[in-house]
Amino acid sequence: AQSVTQLDSQVPVFEEAPVELRCNYSSSVSVYLFWYVQYPNQGLQLLLKYLSGSTLVKSINGFEAEFNKSQTSFHLRKPSVHISDTAEYFCAVSGLYSSASKIIFGSGTRLSIRP
Amino acid sequence: EPEVTQTPSHQVTQMGQEVILRCVPISNHLYFYWYRQILGQKVEFLVSFYNNEISEKSEIFDDQFSVERPDGSNFTLKIRSTKLEDSAMYFCASSEGGGSGNTIYFGEGSWLTVV
Repeated sequence: AQSVTQLDSQVPVFEEAPVELRCNYSSSVSVYLFWYVQYPNQGLQLLLKYLSGSTLVKSINGFEAEFNKSQTSFHLRKPSVHISDTAEYFCAVSGLYSSASKIIFGSGTRLSIRP
Repeated sequence: EPEVTQTPSHQVTQMGQEVILRCVPISNHLYFYWYRQILGQKVEFLVSFYNNEISEKSEIFDDQFSVERPDGSNFTLKIRSTKLEDSAMYFCASSEGGGSGNTIYFGEGSWLTVV
């Protein structure tokens, strides 16, 4: 079984400042890792995912996350945030050979951007 | 971009009443899901549906719940006799494949309030 921990429920930052949203996971098997974003009044959208290969994965809007197997982490970073990044961010994990439905979500981190 | 659509966006119902939440998955997807998120809690898996039958369900998905794909496009979740603790955001989702590396596409959610 897998589990995900997002230690920060809320992260306030100023616009154009860097941000890191932390995610740690536990699993007895190899995993796939995901970050989903939920903008206000919208559904969950996939931001980026790690399946294999390069441990650094990037989204089209400037976010990146690095899979660190030794630290069992998949932190999400952006060097300079915008007001439009205000959303809730969910880290998620699934076992390599499990079904898509077995994805386990963290409790979410609410990113609020101050002008 | 194709998207999963859900109706209603918000429903208030009295305890004991039946509720049907409707979803139109992405047209070429074969796997369909319902998840829920109780306010302040994690997103939880309810059920997955493939080839016109339930493929997996969680312990939350008891006899009060049922799913149906009545006409080849809609995918519904029925709660037979709602309880206060059924109040939550219900997300419909779909994916092309069923393996854990497949991206799950979520709808915007249906917010159910049981009074």
